[in-house]
Amino acid sequence: KQEVTQIPAALSVPEGENLVLNCSFTDSAIYNLQWFRQDPGKGLTSLLLIQSSQREQTSGRLNASLDKSSGRSTLYIAASQPGDSATYLCAVRGNEKLTFGTGTRLTIIP
Amino acid sequence: DGGITQSPKYLFRKEGQNVTLSCEQNLNHDAMYWYRQDPGQGLRLIYYSQIVNDFQKGDIAEGYSVSREKKESFPLTVTSAQKNPTAFYLCASSIPTNTGELFFGEGSRLTVL
Repeated sequence: KQEVTQIPAALSVPEGENLVLNCSFTDSAIYNLQWFRQDPGKGLTSLLLIQSSQREQTSGRLNASLDKSSGRSTLYIAASQPGDSATYLCAVRGNEKLTFGTGTRLTIIP
Repeated sequence: DGGITQSPKYLFRKEGQNVTLSCEQNLNHDAMYWYRQDPGQGLRLIYYSQIVNDFQKGDIAEGYSVSREKKESFPLTVTSAQKNPTAFYLCASSIPTNTGELFFGEGSRLTVL
């Protein structure tokens, strides 16, 4: 059974700093990994999707990497801004099933 | 604008009542999903549908029912048999492949009084 872990559960960072969020998974037989952002009381917004054959994806200040063999993905946020404050979730797609982590709540301190 | 619309955003229900949550998408996606989100837990899959007139149970289907009569619509009924229905419900859609990106609606918060 796939298990997805995101540590830490919460993170506070001063504005302007670069930061890395972590996602680990136990079964490396995956099709893709997706990073989402969730604001309080809102739905999930897709940030980046990495297929199993890819090593990384970039969108603006965001860069996501995938290392299937070690069961890890990272989301790198450059030059953080207060608007980046949200909960970030990763989800791993295995055979017909998507497994979510419980998320990292990120607070950017002005 | 393409997207997924969920309604209502907030819903209050008395014990013993059934309620139906609406999910409509105009992304032309064949696959649609219902998830439940509780504090401190990852999203859990309730039901999913890969094609019209077909759907499968997810991990926590007991006390819920769905229908898929149209490609655009995938309503979820929370029945009185669901023992702990107070939660945040999220609808999602994707193309029906293992590589498809998942898109979510804004969610519906159900509170049982």
